[in-house]
Amino acid sequence: GENVEQHPSTLSVQEGDSAVIKCTYSDSASNYFPWYKQELGKGPQLIIDIRSNVGEKKDQRIAVTLNKTAKHFSLHITETQPEDSAVYFCAASKGGYQKVTFGIGTKLQVIP
Amino acid sequence: DAGITQSPRYKITETGRQVTLMCHQTWSHSYMFWYRQDLGHGLRLIYYSAAADITDKGEVPDGYVVSRSKTENFPLTLESATRSQTSVYFCASRAGTENTEAFFGQGTRLTVV
Repeated sequence: GENVEQHPSTLSVQEGDSAVIKCTYSDSASNYFPWYKQELGKGPQLIIDIRSNVGEKKDQRIAVTLNKTAKHFSLHITETQPEDSAVYFCAASKGGYQKVTFGIGTKLQVIP
Repeated sequence: DAGITQSPRYKITETGRQVTLMCHQTWSHSYMFWYRQDLGHGLRLIYYSAAADITDKGEVPDGYVVSRSKTENFPLTLESATRSQTSVYFCASRAGTENTEAFFGQGTRLTVV
């Protein structure tokens, strides 16, 4: 089955700096790569996603890149703010009923 | 209220007892999922359902049972709880077969003593 590796497991940045989280996947048939943000005491919430026919996607301060050849994708957060502090999960899935495989998560701390 | 809700939010149970976690969604989403979240493991799929009366095993199904008699409900039962099932459980739902956003409940923190 699919295996998604995510790193780093923890990340501390100064407010205003950029944060990058990287993931790799094993199944070349995966074609959908969502990113979820989980705030303390809450369920994960989708923040951005990318499909395999797209190399990059941006939404305000958040961007994702996908390298299908290398089977890795990354989340970039620019101009970080304290409210960006959370756990971020990458995930991968392929067609049909969509079993989504998650990475282990990255705890991001933005230091004011 | 619209959305996906889980109950209870917190539960403490004893080893060997049966416990059921409830999940209810108001969107009539076809797909529903149960995940458990453990430190160092991320979110692992326990069971999923593509429609009422259709369920299938995920990555870690042992010790769990699900049912889906109605589209909006997807209860998860631990038949004989073990300490290794202490975890935070999340229910999620998704609209259809295409790659679409999965919406998660707020989670149930289960402690087995």
